[in-house]
Amino acid sequence: DVKVTQSSRYLVKRTGEKVFLECVQDMDHENMFWYRQDPGLGLRLIYFSYDVKMKEKGDIPEGYSVSREKKERFSLILESASTNQTSMYLCASRDRGITGELFFGEGSRLTVL
Amino acid sequence: TQLLEQSPQFLSIQEGENLTVYCNSSSVFSSLQWYRQEPGEGPVLLVTVVTGGEVKKLKRLTFQFGDARKDSSLHITAAQPGDTGLYLCAGESRDDKIIFGKGTRLHILP
Repeated sequence: DVKVTQSSRYLVKRTGEKVFLECVQDMDHENMFWYRQDPGLGLRLIYFSYDVKMKEKGDIPEGYSVSREKKERFSLILESASTNQTSMYLCASRDRGITGELFFGEGSRLTVL
Repeated sequence: TQLLEQSPQFLSIQEGENLTVYCNSSSVFSSLQWYRQEPGEGPVLLVTVVTGGEVKKLKRLTFQFGDARKDSSLHITAAQPGDTGLYLCAGESRDDKIIFGKGTRLHILP
């Protein structure tokens, strides 16, 4: 079974803290994505990565950075967390095949106080 | 920025009724996907449509891709309570981004 694993289901952080969200996939996929999901706003793309050490900005990259040192791992970093970054964060990976199916993790719900 | 507009945002209907969800854009997409998301889980792919005018069926669900590859629809026949969930359309843009509509929250009443 294919699997995308996100390191934490629930996190509570304070404003100004540095936050790491980790995502690991076991499918040898080239592409990986980070989205945030907020009520009424759907999934918004933060960053994505074509391959190791490559990254591209999505639609809302401000306040975030990413790291892809190994093919299976894609990390999302909040350098200085703010309350407006309270959200559900979803990681996904995909093969570049015909369907291009995205496989999602279960999500990390981050609360910034 | 390419946008996908989904409608309706919310839909609550009785078991056995039919419904259609729409996904529209002013941009052309190389493919469109439909996902379904249950509470506490990530979205799961239902179907991918690639060719303009394409129609795909998945049991009681029928998916259509517009001729111009700018829009898509999801039709559910004889809705069941198990169809309840959040339905999301997603499109792959020219620059390999995969963007999502805001979703349609569907509730089927028994």
